[in-house]
Amino acid sequence: GAGVSQSPSNKVTEKGKDVELRCDPISGHTALYWYRQSLGQGLEFLIYFQGNSAPDKSGLPSDRFSAERTGGSVSTLTIQRTQQEDSAVYLCASSLAPNNGYTFGSGTRLTVV
Amino acid sequence: KQEVTQIPAALSVPEGENLVLNCSFTDSAIYNLQWFRQDPGKGLTSLLLIQSSQREQTSGRLNASLDKSSGRSTLYIAASQPGDSATYLCAVISDMRFGAGTRLTVKP
Repeated sequence: GAGVSQSPSNKVTEKGKDVELRCDPISGHTALYWYRQSLGQGLEFLIYFQGNSAPDKSGLPSDRFSAERTGGSVSTLTIQRTQQEDSAVYLCASSLAPNNGYTFGSGTRLTVV
Repeated sequence: KQEVTQIPAALSVPEGENLVLNCSFTDSAIYNLQWFRQDPGKGLTSLLLIQSSQREQTSGRLNASLDKSSGRSTLYIAASQPGDSATYLCAVISDMRFGAGTRLTVKP
């Protein structure tokens, strides 16, 4: 596609429920990144995918968070048993190759009530 | 671990002023650095990408410089306009680390 697409744009969920956030990167971009931005805060790195290599999961805050990237394209970030502190904007970015510039999606605003 | 710092956290200037936003990083062995703009409630828009072999990049009224030896990058905005009001973030792409941003307000 022309840009990075994220869905849904907004998600309200009850505490304890599981949620899935989707990212569709720019076609041909081999690298994909997930970040979290809490209210008034900077970007917190979560996970990085590069081609068929094992992902860099070093930023995932707990084992409730997981992500996969199917066929080297679409990625899904899953949060299990959501907590109120998970409320944030989740941003996805892709780049043509590692160390190339990022293009960001518009983000998913997650609210846990 | 790479640390990226942006000072000041907030800046307010009158329209027409030239201004400089600062970004510092602790590990100078970087591959590149990217500047972004974020409007309230929106995603990040790329402004400039500087490769480590370059010293600066220019786009319109924006000029970004990179000094790896001192661990600094600056974003220069010429003749600021109210439409420039946003949060500006820098990122060391090779380390996947972002600064917390500088919130800029340009007053008419």
